[in-house]
Amino acid sequence: QKEVEQDPGPLSVPEGAIVSLNCTYSNSAFQYFMWYRQYSRKGPELLMYTYSSGNKEDGRFTAQVDKSSKYISLFIRDSQPSDSATYLCAMSPGAGNKLTFGGGTRVLVKP
Amino acid sequence: DTGVSQDPRHKITKRGQNVTFRCDPISEHNRLYWYRQTLGQGPEFLTYFQNEAQLEKSRLLSDRFSAERPKGSFSTLEIQRTEQGDSAMYLCASSSLPDRVSYEQYFGPGTRLTVT
Repeated sequence: QKEVEQDPGPLSVPEGAIVSLNCTYSNSAFQYFMWYRQYSRKGPELLMYTYSSGNKEDGRFTAQVDKSSKYISLFIRDSQPSDSATYLCAMSPGAGNKLTFGGGTRVLVKP
Repeated sequence: DTGVSQDPRHKITKRGQNVTFRCDPISEHNRLYWYRQTLGQGPEFLTYFQNEAQLEKSRLLSDRFSAERPKGSFSTLEIQRTEQGDSAMYLCASSSLPDRVSYEQYFGPGTRLTVT
């Protein structure tokens, strides 16, 4: 079983809808949580970064971390076709350590 | 400014040949990381440096793989005697020295390796 699980999708939503993404993990030592967006054949682009539990909002993006349930979420409001990409969650037990990634969820926002 | 850059962007090689990739991190970043990503999967950690020192290597990094960061700036990743299973996207990331609550890794565009 992988340390970080992520539904591969694809997740298809109409433009303007809320996109809801999540990851579960097994390593209780993880404290740093990130979400990356990756377009086809490109490098991952950092979207959100959260330390420990709680919520963080940045524009249309909201990240939530529930360490008690080992569950993290990313919400994208007012989704646009340009949000169509693969979304990767990543986490680390300590600052500066390697990241452990989920397998990614492919999202398609239809105009 | 510039983000993390990688060269080449694409490499096609024949099985058994050696290849070398280069990564230039964001200029003020002390830490540099290498990951490998195969189609449909998330990136997997290979190794990382703080300045010139290689601090951790994954078991994925077989004896055919070697990475260096000789002056604490750019890094190279060499694969000797390439195999078809080495075909993947090789990603480089960098970060500043982390503190307790601040730790973000920024990725380059990747080098896509195809071994024929």
